[in-house]
Amino acid sequence: DAGVTQSPTHLIKTRGQQVTLRCSPKSGHDTVSWYQQALGQGPQFIFQYYEEEERQRGNFPDRFSGHQFPNYSSELNVNALLLGDSALYLCASSLGRASDTQYFGPGTRLTVL
Amino acid sequence: RKEVEQDPGPFNVPEGATVAFNCTYSNSASQSFFWYRQDCRKEPKLLMSVYSSGNEDGRFTAQLNRASQYISLLIRDSKLSDSATYLCVVNIFGNEKLTFGTGTRLTIIP
Repeated sequence: DAGVTQSPTHLIKTRGQQVTLRCSPKSGHDTVSWYQQALGQGPQFIFQYYEEEERQRGNFPDRFSGHQFPNYSSELNVNALLLGDSALYLCASSLGRASDTQYFGPGTRLTVL
Repeated sequence: RKEVEQDPGPFNVPEGATVAFNCTYSNSASQSFFWYRQDCRKEPKLLMSVYSSGNEDGRFTAQLNRASQYISLLIRDSKLSDSATYLCVVNIFGNEKLTFGTGTRLTIIP
């Protein structure tokens, strides 16, 4: 039973660039949530995708956008990267929109120089 | 005020000791409560859910006080492998997001 997978593992970008992170949910799950974890902080909710639509959004600017595909996998896009976007980006999958049982992937560590 | 507040530590505790973590939350509409464990540079993993009646899983005991909006985690007979960051997590019923505290870092000393 495959768990949540994310790619790439690590990524280095420069300010102003754009990045796309990818997530495949746990087998049987249909909902994907994205979180940003800065060093020394807890994860912060970015947004959630269910039925290919953004269902709820945290306090993040429009530079952060996403997409969910028919196979439930998801992408997180960040435009016009800032130094402060350097963080661990975590994808969590669940079954159903309001499920609080979320399983996290290993994350993508983004460094912006 | 932060939605979920934890003492960031670090807590340095000798092996075999008992250690307790506390957490407070600000939204009285919160319905689900959890403790997650996060090892260095790894993803958070669910340690246990927290129920009003309190619950125990081996050496770990979690308790919830709704009146005081307070959650606790007790680890007995601590092991070296318990060294990690412990995250207090809250979910408002029907809400899609999990709200995390900043985490409490625990190091068990041999």
